[in-house]
Amino acid sequence: LAKTTQPISMDSYEGQEVNITCSHNNIATNDYITWYQQFPSQGPRFIIQGYKTKVTNEVASLFIPADRKSSTLSLPRVSLSDTAVYYCLVVGGSQGNLIFGKGTKLSVKP
Amino acid sequence: GAVVSQHPSRVICKSGTSVKIECRSLDFQATTMFWYRQFPKKSLMLMATSNEGSKATYEQGVEKDKFLINHASLTLSTLTVTSAHPEDSSFYICSAIPGQGSNEQFFGPGTRLTVL
Repeated sequence: LAKTTQPISMDSYEGQEVNITCSHNNIATNDYITWYQQFPSQGPRFIIQGYKTKVTNEVASLFIPADRKSSTLSLPRVSLSDTAVYYCLVVGGSQGNLIFGKGTKLSVKP
Repeated sequence: GAVVSQHPSRVICKSGTSVKIECRSLDFQATTMFWYRQFPKKSLMLMATSNEGSKATYEQGVEKDKFLINHASLTLSTLTVTSAHPEDSSFYICSAIPGQGSNEQFFGPGTRLTVL
């Protein structure tokens, strides 16, 4: 499983766009990039998944360059409720274990 | 989306007792469920993979005789912490994958175990 590296923490203010970048240099051809959000004392919640280029849903966008060695989660106009830990994971094409890194603790301030 | 529940949400027990945690997939069948453990301010650590109808696969360093996993049906997996000790106090989270060909995992809300 490809190892991921992401910043330990980030600070932002309400209404700003937040971009969290994750590096995964040894990603395999059949791997997908998946992001989860976790609030304290809760299970992780799926945010978005992508393979290449750009994926967008109602919550976030995911940008993946052509070499797929990194990815950027973009949260538009964050609010206080977006304060959480965000995990970037590389997942194999078939069912597989999820290996969580340390995640990025995002703190949104008023 | 798919819903995974856990019971109980929190439990306090005395040292030496056993505690059972249930993980249920409410609106889908899951041939595979996963059990994670998370200590305060740490990331999730995979403990074992629970397969319906077969023995669980444990990660290195996780004692299979201490953390008993049973996946008797397609909607239920249980984790029993046997002879619990204070160092087993942690947040236990399960996840499930709804069906073949999908790699999206849905997580339960977690169970907070405190061993006195």
